[in-house]
Amino acid sequence: GAVVSQHPSWVICKSGTSVKIECRSLDFQATTMFWYRQFPKQSLMLMATSNEGSKATYEQGVEKDKFLINHASLTLSTLTVTSAHPEDSSFYICSARRASQGFEQYFGPGTRLTVT
Amino acid sequence: QKEVEQNSGPLSVPEGAIASLNCTYSDRGSQSFFWYRQYSGKSPELIMFIYSNGDKEDGRFTAQLNKASQYVSLLIRDSQPSDSATYLCAVNRGGFKTIFGAGTRLFVKA
Repeated sequence: GAVVSQHPSWVICKSGTSVKIECRSLDFQATTMFWYRQFPKQSLMLMATSNEGSKATYEQGVEKDKFLINHASLTLSTLTVTSAHPEDSSFYICSARRASQGFEQYFGPGTRLTVT
Repeated sequence: QKEVEQNSGPLSVPEGAIASLNCTYSDRGSQSFFWYRQYSGKSPELIMFIYSNGDKEDGRFTAQLNKASQYVSLLIRDSQPSDSATYLCAVNRGGFKTIFGAGTRLFVKA
């Protein structure tokens, strides 16, 4: 299989605090991981692409100092939302691409962030 | 012109019918094509991928690719209410980024 996990599945935090979301590929090595955000009834929005051991590439309009991405190994990437505000409340989803396959992406179950 | 275009729907079909979902893309250099299913409140799930012109079948699902027309489709045979979801078409040129369409909502009536 190609299983991707995310933790936590949901989190509530206070405005101004930081939240870290973990994304793990459980049964394969991921050369590339992606972070998306999705607001209710809207399309997936790619935030950034990360490769193991390299700096993430952020999409236009995504603040790299606010959304910190670390891809420490071939099975783990983290997204830290710093100084969260209510407008950051969203569904954050990671996906991973296998090292030995084509360009298929496998998505994690997502993390629902609510900032109060 | 959007890079990957899908009709937003909703597409409504009766149970047991064939659902036909369509997608067009703008980049002629695209090489890999994917269909994802996303249930409400959940993350996308990969259900099909296709790289060559023609048809690819997997169970009740058939993906069809026509590179000359820049068109990819997904057929769902014997549609079930559990197939009701948003279907995302995705296209990759051979680089890091896969481009996703906005999705087509499918509703299968029991």
